Amino acid sequence: NAGVTQTPKFQVLKTGQSMTLQCAQDMNHEYMSWYRQDPGMGLRLIHYSVGAGITDQGEVPNGYNVSRSTTEDFPLRLLSAAPSQTSVYFCASSFSAANQPQHFGDGTRLSIL
Amino acid sequence: GENVEQHPSTLSVQEGDSAVIKCTYSDSASNYFPWYKQELGKGPQLIIDIRSNVGEKKDQRIAVTLNKTAKHFSLHITETQPEDSAVYFCAAERSFGGGKLIFGQGTELSVKP
Repeated sequence: NAGVTQTPKFQVLKTGQSMTLQCAQDMNHEYMSWYRQDPGMGLRLIHYSVGAGITDQGEVPNGYNVSRSTTEDFPLRLLSAAPSQTSVYFCASSFSAANQPQHFGDGTRLSIL
Repeated sequence: GENVEQHPSTLSVQEGDSAVIKCTYSDSASNYFPWYKQELGKGPQLIIDIRSNVGEKKDQRIAVTLNKTAKHFSLHITETQPEDSAVYFCAAERSFGGGKLIFGQGTELSVKP
């Protein structure tokens, strides 16, 4: 099993550009989520999904969209990139949403110029 | 809002010594407390977790203690080794919290040979 796979690993964007961060898991997990990690602030939840077709907002959702058309995939879209979105983005999955260990990918390092 | 405070932000110990990292949470409904280890360039990896019906849990050199009355929980690493050097994060989640982890700010542990 590959676990949680994130692509790309690195990306540089210009302000105003859009892009999609990909996340896929092969563990048949129902729950998937996206976090951003900024220095000194831990990880903050952006969006999450408790199953295919169901998504909801986390702590810092503004500027990001998600969809969950399959159990395996949970892409994160930046609609119009801003310098404040420069961060490291992590996707995670777990068997369910009820106090379960979450498995993280290795992240996408995103710079917005 | 919900908050998790983690201390210290950096910790340096000699190989073989013990290391202790402490977290305080604000949401009294929190019921699940995982600890993650993050190595450079990697995603966080679960190392141990504890639920509120348990006061202490141990796994080889790692232990976690929980004081629900004081809303404190701590990570204890004994007989530290250089490979324990990493950033450690605590987190808290409500019962049936929808997988929404609230993370602490992280502790950078350095174990000197």
